[in-house]
Amino acid sequence: SQQGEEDPQALSIQEGENATMNCSYKTSINNLQWYRQNSGRGLVHLILIRSNEREKHSGRLRVTLDTSKKSSSLLITASRAADTASYFCATVGSGNTGKLIFGQGTTLQVKP
Amino acid sequence: SQTIHQWPATLVQPVGSPLSLECTVEGTSNPNLYWYRQAAGRGLQLLFYSVGIGQISSEVPQNLSASRPQDRQFILSSKKLLLSDSGFYLCAWNPQGKYGYTFGSGTRLTVV
Repeated sequence: SQQGEEDPQALSIQEGENATMNCSYKTSINNLQWYRQNSGRGLVHLILIRSNEREKHSGRLRVTLDTSKKSSSLLITASRAADTASYFCATVGSGNTGKLIFGQGTTLQVKP
Repeated sequence: SQTIHQWPATLVQPVGSPLSLECTVEGTSNPNLYWYRQAAGRGLQLLFYSVGIGQISSEVPQNLSASRPQDRQFILSSKKLLLSDSGFYLCAWNPQGKYGYTFGSGTRLTVV
């Protein structure tokens, strides 16, 4: 079953703008991860944030986590056309084997 | 280095025919292995996961089964395909006790 919802479902921006995607989840988590999927390809792991962390950075990516609201956001700064892809959040529940439960994803289009 | 191989890339099968998709991981031992299915434009649904040889957990009742005959081999099977089995099938792995999955390139299955 799906863990939660991502918002928006689709996002279209111009190159150089920032892109923000949001993710909500339902159960308590050990960590939350963001993945990227280019059309018709496998997923690539972008960043992981643990339940005791509030913010994490990796290059042009910034992830926040609010466990009280059961939500996370992914910010991509200074977007490029190559950032065009679908982005998924996924959670690892506390106490399980580490299996990931994915959201529905946000499709990002960056126009050159 | 660690790599994951998944094949075939695309497959068109008639309704009622059998299915066998194979996934192998190289460069690691005792990985956790996962099969996901992705419907068009949707998120990923966890189908099966395995923490060791012969140990398979099923997440969703369905027309599919999985097996792990060797440490780094994970097979998804069906005896008789249904139209609803069409989708994009992804294999993934992560090291025991660590987070962050590595995905294969996926198999696009169309049942006709």
